[in-house]
Amino acid sequence: KQEVTQIPAALSVPEGENLVLNCSFTDSAIYNLQWFRQDPGKGLTSLLLIQSSQREQTSGRLNASLDKSSGRSTLYIAASQPGDSATYLCAAWNAGGTSYGKLTFGQGTILTVHP
Amino acid sequence: DAGITQSPRYKITETGRQVTLMCHQTWSHSYMFWYRQDLGHGLRLIYYSAAADITDKGEVPDGYVVSRSKTENFPLTLESATRSQTSVYFCASSEGASQPQHFGDGTRLSIL
Repeated sequence: KQEVTQIPAALSVPEGENLVLNCSFTDSAIYNLQWFRQDPGKGLTSLLLIQSSQREQTSGRLNASLDKSSGRSTLYIAASQPGDSATYLCAAWNAGGTSYGKLTFGQGTILTVHP
Repeated sequence: DAGITQSPRYKITETGRQVTLMCHQTWSHSYMFWYRQDLGHGLRLIYYSAAADITDKGEVPDGYVVSRSKTENFPLTLESATRSQTSVYFCASSEGASQPQHFGDGTRLSIL
């Protein structure tokens, strides 16, 4: 059974810092890895989706990398801003068997960026 | 407006009652999903649907029923609500099995 772990559980940084959020998964038989953002009382907003054949994806100040062999993904946020404050979730897309197409989520990293 | 909407946003009910959570999407996405989000467990898949009239169980389906008679709607029914079903429920949709999932704003359900 796939398990996804996110470290750290919470992170507080001053504005302007570059930061890295970590995601690890136990079963490397995935075909996508997706990062989401969740604001309080809201649903999830998709940030980046990395296909298994890719190593990374970039969108603006966000860069996500994927290393299937080590079961790890990282989300890099450059020049953080107070508006980046949210919970960040990673989700592994499971391949094969009865888990095909289903996401397994980590429990998230709560990010606070101070002005 | 285009998107995915859930209703109601908040619901309080009693144990043993039947309650239905609604999900509607305007993109004509094939896939739709129901998740629940709980502290300590994160998001877990309850049911999903690959197309109208096609549904399948996720990780935690017990106590829930779904139907999908139309592509745009995917209601979730708790036939006899229990306190353990108190949670925040999210609906999502995607164009295909390997396409990004788009989420609604959730329904916060409390069962007393």
